[in-house]
Formats: sequence, structure tokens, C-alpha cells
Amino acid sequence: EVQLLESGGGLVQPGGSLRLSCAASAFTFSGYGMTWVRQAPGKGLEWVSSISGGGSSTYYADSVKGRFTISRDNSKNTLYLQMNSLSAEDTAVYYCAKLGDCSSTSCYSWQRPFDYWGQGTLVTVSS
Amino acid sequence: EIMLTQSPGTLSLSPGERATLSCRASQSVSSSYFAWYQQKPGQAPSLLIYGASSRATGTPDRFSGSGSGTDFTLTISRLEPEDFAVYYCQQYGSSPITFGQGTRLEIK
Repeated sequence: EVQLLESGGGLVQPGGSLRLSCAASAFTFSGYGMTWVRQAPGKGLEWVSSISGGGSSTYYADSVKGRFTISRDNSKNTLYLQMNSLSAEDTAVYYCAKLGDCSSTSCYSWQRPFDYWGQGTLVTVSS
Repeated sequence: EIMLTQSPGTLSLSPGERATLSCRASQSVSSSYFAWYQQKPGQAPSLLIYGASSRATGTPDRFSGSGSGTDFTLTISRLEPEDFAVYYCQQYGSSPITFGQGTRLEIK
């Protein structure tokens, strides 16, 4: 059974940094793109960033571009999200998710549904 | 950016009834890149429907998706107690990937 386990969340001051990790198991990690999605308290879902299976292609929401960096270590089956210059607006539960198969005749690496999700890790930005 | 607007915001129904949830896009979305997710309180979202109408692994057949262009629908034919949750639509064909604001399905 596919498992995704996030870690690294916590309380951080405005302007600070945090690195989230997502440990994956029970699938060929390098063969699938991965993504981060966040959910502010009581709010809806917001896509944050995606990365291709090999790690060469990355994509970001405008709200985090230039501040967040997505990466992966396929030898460790682990996805990362480095978050810098954090503000209160970044307070949320952060979920990692696995990208599924292409549902069309052809897809870019990021054009996939999010077929498995972790349980999330809470990031709170506050002084 | 493609905006997705879900309606209604809250839907109150009884077990056994039929539920119809709508999602309207601000511009045309390829049905190949449209999904529905379910989120129960305190849990992560889970994929229900992808490609507008294909059920994900483990999705019961009482759930069905339809639509094209700018209008998409999630139908639950006969509500079970475990179906009361929040539902999100998503388009993943155009960057940035976007979600609707959610429809809360509550027990009447």
C-alpha cells in the first residue's frame, strides 16, 4: 500500500525558514512526479509545487515562487520542500501527494491527478 | 489562472438520497485533466474521480463524474453515511493547478 509520511512542520517566526520532508514507500518513487498542496486553517486546497520523477522539472504557484524550493532524493525515496521568507499567509497544513498516471493521450509531467496523499504536517508562522 | 466555482456551498441531504455537486470553470478545461476529491474531517483529501469521469481505485460505483468544457458534475447516486464530507473539484491541465472552494455535504 502506498504510504506518504510528512515531517518537519512546526512553529516558525515570520521571515524564518523550514524544510518539510515526505517519506514515500510501496511504489517506485523515481517513476512518479510528486507535489505539495497546502490547506490554511478552515480553508480550501491550494496547489504549491510539483516535481517530475527524475527531479529535473519543477513547477511553482506564484504565491511561493522564489521563496520555496521543491526537490527530491530518489535514493532515499524522499520529497522535500524548502520554505524561506515565511509569512503568516503560509500557515497551513502541508500535504505531499503522488502524481498518478496520465489520463490523456499525452501529458506533461505535472498534468496528473493526485492519487495518494500523506496525512499532512502543520506549519504555523507566528511571532 | 482558471478559477473553479463550486455550487452549492453546502448541500443538506439524507442518506439514500441523490447528490449532485457542480463545478464551473472560468474557461474551458479539457475533461482529461479534471478531478474530484473527497475530504473527511481531520483527514487528507482522497482522489475520487479523474479524467472527469474515471473512478479512482477504491471509489464506489455510486460516485460518477461527468461534464466537459466549463461545466462538470459529481453525482452520488444513493448517499451512504460515510459520504458526508467536503468535495473539491480540480483542474490539472493548465498551470497553475487550481481547486474549487469546496462543497460541504452534510446530513439533513
